[in-house]
Amino acid sequence: GENVEQHPSTLSVQEGDSAVIKCTYSDSASNYFPWYKQELGKRPQLIIDIRSNVGEKKDQRIAVTLNKTAKHFSLHITETQPEDSAVYFCAASIMNTGTASKLTFGTGTRLQVTL
Amino acid sequence: ETGVTQTPRHLVMGMTNKKSLKCEQHLGHNAMYWYKQSAKKPLELMFVYSLEERVENNSVPSRFSPECPNSSHLFLHLHTLQPEDSALYLCASSQDGGWGNIQYFGAGTRLSVL
Repeated sequence: GENVEQHPSTLSVQEGDSAVIKCTYSDSASNYFPWYKQELGKRPQLIIDIRSNVGEKKDQRIAVTLNKTAKHFSLHITETQPEDSAVYFCAASIMNTGTASKLTFGTGTRLQVTL
Repeated sequence: ETGVTQTPRHLVMGMTNKKSLKCEQHLGHNAMYWYKQSAKKPLELMFVYSLEERVENNSVPSRFSPECPNSSHLFLHLHTLQPEDSALYLCASSQDGGWGNIQYFGAGTRLSVL
């Protein structure tokens, strides 16, 4: 089955700096890679996702890159703000039409943005 | 509020108790999921239901028994649990049948087994 590794487990940055979280996956058939943000005591929420037919996707201060050859993908947050402090999870999945999506999650990265 | 509601939010039970967790989604989705979230571990997929049929059971002990009576409701029946089963149990739903089947999570049930 799929195995997803995520690094680092904790990350502390100063407000305004950039943060990068990296994930690797094992199953070359995986073709969908979402990122979830979980604030303390709250539910995981999707912040951005990427499909295997693109190499990069950007949404305001958040971007995700995908290297299919190396089987790794990364989350980039620029101009970090205190409200970015949370646990971030990457995931990988094989998406097929008509089937339930079975996500394999990484272990999470706790991001702390300090003033 | 993402449209996925879980009850109760907190549950404390003894090892001999029987309890049930409930999940309800108001998004018109056709797939529902149970995850276990423990400290310092990845979200672990437990069960997947698609169109009310169980399509995945990730080697979960039989003391966890899921039930999906319709596409909007999902239950997790618990009996004779162990202390190591203490965790946050998250329910999610998605609409299958195409790309980008985004999963929407509930707020979870924090379970403590004494």
